[in-house]
Amino acid sequence: GAVVSQHPSWVICKSGTSVKIECRSLDFQATTMFWYRQFPKQSLMLMATSNEGSKATYEQGVEKDKFLINHASLTLSTLTVTSAHPEDSSFYICSASLQKGRPNSPLHFGNGTRLTVT
Amino acid sequence: KNEVEQSPQNLTAQEGEFITINCSYSVGISALHWLQQHPGGGIVSLFMLSSGKKKHGRLIATINIQEKHSSLHITASHPRDSAVYICAVPPYSGGGADGLTFGKGTHLIIQP
Repeated sequence: GAVVSQHPSWVICKSGTSVKIECRSLDFQATTMFWYRQFPKQSLMLMATSNEGSKATYEQGVEKDKFLINHASLTLSTLTVTSAHPEDSSFYICSASLQKGRPNSPLHFGNGTRLTVT
Repeated sequence: KNEVEQSPQNLTAQEGEFITINCSYSVGISALHWLQQHPGGGIVSLFMLSSGKKKHGRLIATINIQEKHSSLHITASHPRDSAVYICAVPPYSGGGADGLTFGKGTHLIIQP
């Protein structure tokens, strides 16, 4: 089956530094990738939709200059948390879709990245 | 925008019991997803369904589009079924390229 690899699985960084999280589709081409954030005891919240070759679409309240998304190829999307602050500490997870614009497409999730900013 | 309600939020049961988790949503959809999230955070897609019923092993998912309601059932539950089960739907009736809206999840613990 389709596999999505997310790296790193956990990261601890100091306040003010930037952290890059990678999401790769290993055996399929993902035209669309989604980035989610999950705070403890909370539901997953969509941050942005990443489309290959175009700018990401951010959800309301998500700062695009703080959470930089790049989807340069059909198998790789990256999320960079810039100038991280302790309140950015969260669980970040990506999912990939084989079919753009199709809500009935099966979901394939990465294993997530637990970010702790000290 | 779609709102998703799941119940119960927490459920503890004995091994072997029949488990039911419910999901209601507010806006008509084309498909609904059931997901399983393990303690480490990884998420596995269990079902995607748009009508009727699907079965995979001991898991059964049903959906009633008219009533905007879905249920996930686990037969002969086992401690390894312990996880958070999440219902997810498109945020708008048209679906499209948007990501999903998630319920808060049901934290299931199956005791031996």
